[in-house]
Amino acid sequence: GAGVSQSPRYKVAKRGQDVALRCDPISGHVSLFWYQQALGQGPEFLTYFQNEAQLDKSGLPSDRFFAERPEGSVSTLKIQRTQQEDSAVYLCASLKGTGQGGYTFGSGTRLTVV
Amino acid sequence: DAKTTQPPSMDCAEGRAANLPCNHSTISGNEYVYWYRQIHSQGPQYIIHGLKNNETNEMASLIITEDRKSSTLILPHATLRDTAVYYCIVRVARAAGNKLTFGGGTRVLVKP
Repeated sequence: GAGVSQSPRYKVAKRGQDVALRCDPISGHVSLFWYQQALGQGPEFLTYFQNEAQLDKSGLPSDRFFAERPEGSVSTLKIQRTQQEDSAVYLCASLKGTGQGGYTFGSGTRLTVV
Repeated sequence: DAKTTQPPSMDCAEGRAANLPCNHSTISGNEYVYWYRQIHSQGPQYIIHGLKNNETNEMASLIITEDRKSSTLILPHATLRDTAVYYCIVRVARAAGNKLTFGGGTRVLVKP
């Protein structure tokens, strides 16, 4: 597609439930990033993929967060045993190469843990 | 990556130029200045970036001071649709892992 697609757009999870958030980057884009944005804050980096390789996961807040991109295209961010503090918008971004240029962000998935 | 400082908010009049300042006094020689904006309920949108020369595209102009310690994003004719949070980010371009570090940004309100 023309842009980065994320699904679902909204997700309500009960505390303790596992969730999976999907990102479809722009076709052929090598780099893929996940960000977390709390209400009223700027996005914060979670993890980075170059093709299928996860090269940086330093921003993942705990071992309950797991991301994968097995074929170097679609990526899934999984959160196990969700907690209230996980409530946020999760943004995915892709970049054609690995160097300069602007990222293209998706519209995000708003996760609410109740 | 170097830290940036932006005013938390500013208003501007529709049809007028909007000048958004950003300080990045600790910028390194190999760091670029990037601008993104985020309209309510959307993901951030890339606007423009530059190293040391002024840049212009269909959305905006970027003016970087000679010492590179500050820059200004110029929206030449602001419209109501330009109401958004604008983020100034500096980062090194690496072969991989060139993540963006967002600060608080400037909340811009374009008024009729």
